[in-house]
Amino acid sequence: DTGVSQNPRHKITKRGQNVTFRCDPISEHNRLYWYRQTLGQGPEFLTYFQNEAQLEKSRLLSDRFSAERPKGSFSTLEIQRTEQGDSAMYLCASTERVSGANVLTFGAGSRLTVL
Amino acid sequence: GEDVEQSLFLSVREGDSSVINCTYTDSSSTYLYWYKQEPGAGLQLLTYIFSNMDMKQDQRLTVLLNKKDKHLSLRIADTQTGDSAIYFCAELAGGYQKVTFGTGTKLQVIP
Repeated sequence: DTGVSQNPRHKITKRGQNVTFRCDPISEHNRLYWYRQTLGQGPEFLTYFQNEAQLEKSRLLSDRFSAERPKGSFSTLEIQRTEQGDSAMYLCASTERVSGANVLTFGAGSRLTVL
Repeated sequence: GEDVEQSLFLSVREGDSSVINCTYTDSSSTYLYWYKQEPGAGLQLLTYIFSNMDMKQDQRLTVLLNKKDKHLSLRIADTQTGDSAIYFCAELAGGYQKVTFGTGTKLQVIP
């Protein structure tokens, strides 16, 4: 297993366009998380899935953002009508429950630049 | 609610010990974590501690937890230039599955 994979690694788009990011978690992990990280800040929680069910969403996740995990394996994060404020690194993580510790394994991230 | 705070920057000389501090507000936190982020890379788990423990040691890393003061620290012994990175403190609040991260401390190791 090669770990958590995210694609694309970098996306440059014009304001108003839609973008989609994909995350492939570690195969035996049933929980998948999306975070957003801007320069100089820590990762901010967006949403998480247990299998295919989306169990929690942050207030940061406006109605322009939608995340899916249709078969409980890979996940997609779509941003519609992108704004310059959406420029950030979008991080995906999957979890291995080690004695309840909910340890997150992160991918390398997908960097979004909105012009 | 959850709020995790860290100092922004720490500079140490190679071979010295580094101590990175973190405070959190959620008294129901069950686990606390330290992650490392190198430039252009994702976050890597360094270590974690359960809230009923005071200390955990793992090779050059020592984690101290003061639950009364909601204070967590990470000590890196014999700091090397390869330890230069941003270090994030994080907490798992009781009853939730969301891990909340601090703003990160940038560690600079001077040769």
